[in-house]
Amino acid sequence: DQQVKQNSPSLSVQEGRISILNCDYTNSMFDYFLWYKKYPAEGPTFLISISSIKDKNEDGRFTVFLNKSAKHLSLHIVPSQPGDSAVYFCAAIGGRSQGNLIFGKGTKLSVKP
Amino acid sequence: SQTIHQWPATLVQPVGSPLSLECTVEGTSNPNLYWYRQAAGRGLQLLFYSVGIGQISSEVPQNLSASRPQDRQFILSSKKLLLSDSGFYLCAWSVSRGVGTQYFGPGTRLLVL
Repeated sequence: DQQVKQNSPSLSVQEGRISILNCDYTNSMFDYFLWYKKYPAEGPTFLISISSIKDKNEDGRFTVFLNKSAKHLSLHIVPSQPGDSAVYFCAAIGGRSQGNLIFGKGTKLSVKP
Repeated sequence: SQTIHQWPATLVQPVGSPLSLECTVEGTSNPNLYWYRQAAGRGLQLLFYSVGIGQISSEVPQNLSASRPQDRQFILSSKKLLLSDSGFYLCAWSVSRGVGTQYFGPGTRLLVL
C-alpha cells in the first residue's frame, strides 16, 4: 500500500521555465509534508516543507502547494536552472506513520539549458 | 551546526560476508536516528529507527540489524550479506519524531557480488 505517490518518474523542463512536481497521498492523517532533492550518490537534501494548516509555503524559487481535499501537493520551481536537475522526493508524516517519514518513489527532473 | 557522517562511502563485499556501516552525528544531543535503503529505481525504504541508546525499532523483516552503542552513533550490520542487500544506504537524524525534518548523511553505496 503506497501511501505517498509520485506518479511521474521523470520530468524534462527548459531552463528558465517552471518545473511542477506532483505528489499524491492517501492517508488523511498526514499533517506535515516535505520535499527532498537528491543528486546521484549523495544523501537527500531537505528543500521545503509545509504543515497541513497551510496551503502554500514559499522559499525563494521554490513553492509548495497543498490541497488537502484532493490529498495532493506540488512543488513549483521558478525559474528552473540546470543545477536543479536531480531526483525529487515527496515525504509525509503523521497519524499512523508513527513518526516515520513516508517517501514517494521520486521524480527525476532534468532541466535543459 | 549539526553534521552527519557515514562511512565507508563505497563498499564491495562478497555474498556471505559480514557488514558494518557506521553513522555518527555531531552538534546535537539525543537525536532520533534512522537507516534507509534506496534500491535501484526505488524510493527510500526505512529499515530501522532509534529514539535512544540501545533502542532500536525495525520496520521491515530482513537480513540486517542495527545498534546504537552511543548517543550519536548508529551502526547497520549483517552477519551474512545477500545479493539483495545491494543498494544505497542512508543514515538520517531528526530532533524529534512525528514533527518535521530529517537530515540525511552522504550515504554508502554497497555492492554485494
